[in-house]
Amino acid sequence: GENVEQHPSTLSVQEGDSAVIKCTYSDSASNYFPWYKQELGKRPQLIIDIRSNVGEKKDQRIAVTLNKTAKHFSLHITETQPEDSAVYFCAASNSGGSNYKLTFGKGTLLTVNP
Amino acid sequence: KAGVTQTPRYLIKTRGQQVTLSCSPISGHRSVSWYQQTPGQGLQFLFEYFSETQRNKGNFPGRFSGRQFSNSRSEMNVSTLELGDSALYLCASSLGQGPPQHFGDGTRLSIL
Repeated sequence: GENVEQHPSTLSVQEGDSAVIKCTYSDSASNYFPWYKQELGKRPQLIIDIRSNVGEKKDQRIAVTLNKTAKHFSLHITETQPEDSAVYFCAASNSGGSNYKLTFGKGTLLTVNP
Repeated sequence: KAGVTQTPRYLIKTRGQQVTLSCSPISGHRSVSWYQQTPGQGLQFLFEYFSETQRNKGNFPGRFSGRQFSNSRSEMNVSTLELGDSALYLCASSLGQGPPQHFGDGTRLSIL
């Protein structure tokens, strides 16, 4: 089955700096890669996703890049703010048809220091 | 529009008991998926239902089961509870053709 590795497990940055979280996956058939943000004690929220026919996707201060050859994808947050502090999860799935059986990374605790 | 609603929010059970958790999706959403979240294993996919049919299943023992009703509400059941079943159980809903987008607040299950 699919295996997703996520690094780093913790990341501390100063407000205004950029943050990068990286994930690798094992199943070359995986073609859908979402990222979720989970603030302490709250529900996960889908913040951005990318499909394998796209190399990069941006949404304001966040972007995701995908390298299918190397089987890794990354989340980039620019101009970080204290409210970006949360646990971020990457995931992967082979979304054939309506199949979204997600395999998650173990999460990255991002702390943005004011 | 109301979000995904999970009940109960907290539950305490003892080993060997069984438990039923409920998830009401966003109105109009026909897909409900369930996840187990623990500090050690992170987020793990349990199963997904669409139009009352289980469409996908994760790698959990048969003690974990679920169902979906005609109004898209879903329940998950865990029988013969073990200490290791202590976790936050999350459900998420989507329209049906897309990925899980909207999560509920979860049910925190503690096994004594």
